[in-house]
Amino acid sequence: EVQLVQSGAEVKKPGESLKISCKSSGFSFSSYWIGWVRQMPGKGLEWMGIIYPGDSDTRYSPSFQGQVTISADKSISTAYLQWSSLKASDTAMYYCARRTRNYWYLDLWGRGTLVTVSS
Amino acid sequence: EIVLTQSPGTLSLSPGERATLSCRTSQSVSSTFLAWYQQKPGQAPRLLIYGASSRATGIPDRFSGSGSGTDFTLTISRLEPEDFAVYYCQQYGSSPFTFGGGTKVEIK
Repeated sequence: EVQLVQSGAEVKKPGESLKISCKSSGFSFSSYWIGWVRQMPGKGLEWMGIIYPGDSDTRYSPSFQGQVTISADKSISTAYLQWSSLKASDTAMYYCARRTRNYWYLDLWGRGTLVTVSS
Repeated sequence: EIVLTQSPGTLSLSPGERATLSCRTSQSVSSTFLAWYQQKPGQAPRLLIYGASSRATGIPDRFSGSGSGTDFTLTISRLEPEDFAVYYCQQYGSSPFTFGGGTKVEIK
């Protein structure tokens, strides 16, 4: 089955680090861009950035540049989103999604990982 | 950065009625590069429309998209109970590939 399976919900304290994952199956992971989208509680969708696992080419939205790191391990078909020092404002649902072959829209989504940052 | 403004914020309609959702962009976007997504409570977004007017795989033909330049529209011809959800537009012609704020279609 073609799918993206995301890691489970996380509860962290401010200042802690975190790495969440998105594992693909059913398609050639190295040949598709994988993006990350944030959804803060009760809010809309925000495009964070995207990576091409084939060569690790990564693009960030200016709003998220320097705030998070996107990476991928093509040997295990998994993309990652990580923070070095979480803030309460990072509390959100994070979705990974696959870009189509030729255009920058997202045709396959993971179910999301809820990250809660609270002291 | 291209800003997308969706209106109305909330649309209250009854099943069987027609829904018309608007998405305006702050700069002209080629119609090739405009998508619509549907999100139901507790679920991930789902691709509905790409290229402004092409339905994604498995999307019923009651969903249609149109528009060009800075004005785009998603139309649901006859609302089914499962169509009550939040809808987002996205431009993917210029990075960052921004989303609109969403329109909630609720049962009247």
